[in-house]
Amino acid sequence: QVQLQESGPGLVKPSETLSLTCTVSGGSISDYYWSWIRQPPGKGLEWIGYIYYSGDTNYNPSLKSRVTILIDTSKNQFSLRLSSVTAADTAVYYCARRLGTSGWIDYWGQGALVTVSS
Amino acid sequence: EIVLTQSLATLSLSPGERATLSCRASQSVSSYLAWYQQKPGQAPRLLIYDASNRATGIPARFSGSGSGTDFTLTISNLEPEDFAVYYCQQRSNWPWTFGQGTKVEIK
Repeated sequence: QVQLQESGPGLVKPSETLSLTCTVSGGSISDYYWSWIRQPPGKGLEWIGYIYYSGDTNYNPSLKSRVTILIDTSKNQFSLRLSSVTAADTAVYYCARRLGTSGWIDYWGQGALVTVSS
Repeated sequence: EIVLTQSLATLSLSPGERATLSCRASQSVSSYLAWYQQKPGQAPRLLIYDASNRATGIPARFSGSGSGTDFTLTISNLEPEDFAVYYCQQRSNWPWTFGQGTKVEIK
């Protein structure tokens, strides 16, 4: 059974960079697409972007200038960096696996709440 | 960006009743639409993909229909564990987007 676990600071100051890592266990990170999706408290879901195990990425245009997603296949991990954060970036951040080459998510992490506040 | 509109924010029903949830896309997404269920404090769970295909392990009381711009999720006989928030999601055009969700609550 594939499991995903987000890790990283739960509090980030405005204008700084949010960094999260997702560790994949129970399966290989190879041959899949891996995503970051966020959900502000009490609100809906927003796709941040995704990365293929080869390193190819695709970012949401609304966040593209601030987002970097990287992958480390040797560690079975992928990561998210979001720069110049504001209070609007406060959210639960989920890492997730796409179902094959589709755009559907079949495995999710439990989510990590990141609060942007001074 | 394709906007998905779930017209009902909340649906109040009793166990055993039938739930009908709708999702409308701002432009055609063909059949590239999925439904997820989310319970408090949990990640979403994939229920239906490609508009009408049940994901692995999803009970037969969940069904999806529609194509183009109008989609429906039907829960035929609500069980206590079905009371949750339901989101639709499209993968026709990037960025893939979600609806704002419909909460199915106990009446």
